[in-house]
Amino acid sequence: LAKTTQPISMDSYEGQEVNITCSHNNIATNDYITWYQQFPSQGPRFIIQGYKTKVTNEVASLFIPADRKSSTLSLPRVSLSDTAVYYCLVGDIRPSGGYNKLIFGAGTRLAVHP
Amino acid sequence: ETGVTQSPTHLIKTRGQQVTLRCSSQSGHNTVSWYQQALGQGPQFIFQYYREEENGRGNFPPRFSGLQFPNYSSELNVNALELDDSALYLCASSHGYEQYFGPGTRLTVT
Repeated sequence: LAKTTQPISMDSYEGQEVNITCSHNNIATNDYITWYQQFPSQGPRFIIQGYKTKVTNEVASLFIPADRKSSTLSLPRVSLSDTAVYYCLVGDIRPSGGYNKLIFGAGTRLAVHP
Repeated sequence: ETGVTQSPTHLIKTRGQQVTLRCSSQSGHNTVSWYQQALGQGPQFIFQYYREEENGRGNFPPRFSGLQFPNYSSELNVNALELDDSALYLCASSHGYEQYFGPGTRLTVT
């Protein structure tokens, strides 16, 4: 599975837009890009998934350039409650359900300040 | 709330002992995965079960074993506990590309 690289930490302020970029130079043709959010002492929570171009849901947007070697998670107008660790993962979709395995990196620790 | 529950919430064991952790999947989910998360690190994949069969395994020794039951609930068993096994153990159920994680079991080995 493709390895991902993302910043260790980021700081922002309430109301700002936050963009977290993830590099995945060795992404395979069948790989999808998925982002998870994790609060302390909780399991990760699915945020968004995409294959190419742009995906948007009620929580975030995901921008994927044509070469798919990177992706950017965009969180509009963050609040204090968005302080968490954000993980970028790539992997293929298995017919049996879910990925064969999710490979998590260290993630990006986002701190939102008042 | 993901609908995935885990028990117990916290557990303290002594080195060399054995432990069983339990996970109840979200209704309708036929796949369950287990992860180990050490403090300050991302979750590490242990193994995955699909319809009661092991469907993939990460880089964990055989003393980490699992079961999935007909109702798709699951167990993680760890034998001969080591101090480094202290971690948050997460299970995740799925029926497609999205995995739903439980709150985890915090295991401390002394």
